[in-house]
Amino acid sequence: DTGVSQNPRHKITKRGQNVTFRCDPISEHNRLYWYRQTLGQGPEFLTYFQNEAQLEKSRLLSDRFSAERPKGSFSTLEIQRTEQGDSAMYLCASSRGQGVLKPFFGQGTRLTVV
Amino acid sequence: SQQGEEDPQALSIQEGENATMNCSYKTSINNLQWYRQNSGRGLVHLILIRSNEREKHSGRLRVTLDTSKKSSSLLITASRAADTASYFCATDESASGGSYIPTFGRGTSLIVHP
Repeated sequence: DTGVSQNPRHKITKRGQNVTFRCDPISEHNRLYWYRQTLGQGPEFLTYFQNEAQLEKSRLLSDRFSAERPKGSFSTLEIQRTEQGDSAMYLCASSRGQGVLKPFFGQGTRLTVV
Repeated sequence: SQQGEEDPQALSIQEGENATMNCSYKTSINNLQWYRQNSGRGLVHLILIRSNEREKHSGRLRVTLDTSKKSSSLLITASRAADTASYFCATDESASGGSYIPTFGRGTSLIVHP
């Protein structure tokens, strides 16, 4: 069990550019979550996958955001035409599909849009 | 939306003292979880308490749950400087698609002075 892995850890991009983040969940975890966290706030839910199916999307997930989990393993989160308001920590978590939800979190990707 | 709200927002104590932080939530829950987050890092799961439990212990941590008041408390006894972190409660909120999603409050920032 190597834990949830997120790459990159940090990303600085210019406004208007596209960025993509990757999350590798704990193996055998079929649930995967993306959250966004800004300074001084708690994590805000973005989207949720069970295996490869995207079952939930928050209203926070605008049309510029897209997430995939093509084979039910790793996931990517893409932000198109980034805006300064997208600057945040993007957290990925995974959990087992049975029983009580108990997500394990990665270290996050910190995005800075300049 | 953020289901849980932690109180206080910030707490500053001396090493050796106990730290108590509270979480209030709005809708009925199946379980409630507490997480810890060191500055700029991911979240670490501390303890889970189910809706039919009233109290749970783990090392120096004690969690209580009062479903009639829709509130929980986290007590850290004999605090250490290494306990300095933000603490979040998370409840399982029903999302628009019917899935239960861990939903976080804004957290309590704890500083333990050596």
